[in-house]
Amino acid sequence: AQSVTQLDSQVPVFEEAPVELRCNYSSSVSVYLFWYVQYPNQGLQLLLKYLSGSTLVKGINGFEAEFNKSQTSFHLRKPSVHISDTAEYFCAVSDLNDYKLSFGAGTTVTVRA
Amino acid sequence: DGGITQSPKYLFRKEGQNVTLSCEQNLNHDAMYWYRQDPGQGLRLIYYSQIVNDFQKGDIAEGYSVSREKKESFPLTVTSAQKNPTAFYLCASSIQGPGAGAFFGQGTRLTVV
Repeated sequence: AQSVTQLDSQVPVFEEAPVELRCNYSSSVSVYLFWYVQYPNQGLQLLLKYLSGSTLVKGINGFEAEFNKSQTSFHLRKPSVHISDTAEYFCAVSDLNDYKLSFGAGTTVTVRA
Repeated sequence: DGGITQSPKYLFRKEGQNVTLSCEQNLNHDAMYWYRQDPGQGLRLIYYSQIVNDFQKGDIAEGYSVSREKKESFPLTVTSAQKNPTAFYLCASSIQGPGAGAFFGQGTRLTVV
């Protein structure tokens, strides 16, 4: 079984500043990793995913994430945020033989002008 | 446009009543899922179905029931046995196969009074 820990529950950030959201996972097997975004009272939208290959993954809306196997981490970054990036972000994991996702508790990003 | 439709968006019910949440998808996905979302807890898997007429319990199935009579539809019934049913419910679907991730509906907010 896998588990996901998102290390920050709330991240306030000023507009045009960089942001990093931290995600660590634990699993006894190799995994696939995902980041989703949720805007208020809406469903989740896939930002990016890591399946294999390059450890730096680029996603939509200027986000990217880096997979670090030795540190079992998959941190999400954006070099310059906008007000519209205010949302909740979820890290998720599934193992290689399954497609059920296990989610972290989420990180709320609030972008201020 | 392909997608997942959840209805209704908001639902109010009296304590002790059963209620059914609708989820329909036209993505031709084989797998469908129900998640429950509570503040600060991320998403927890209630039930999932990999194929028509088959479904499995997730991590928090007690007090819920599902059916999968058609590929497109995966309704969730919240029964009176569910101790704390007030929550945001998300339906998702995916293709068969690991690493697929999942597409989410817009959610149903259930409030039991």
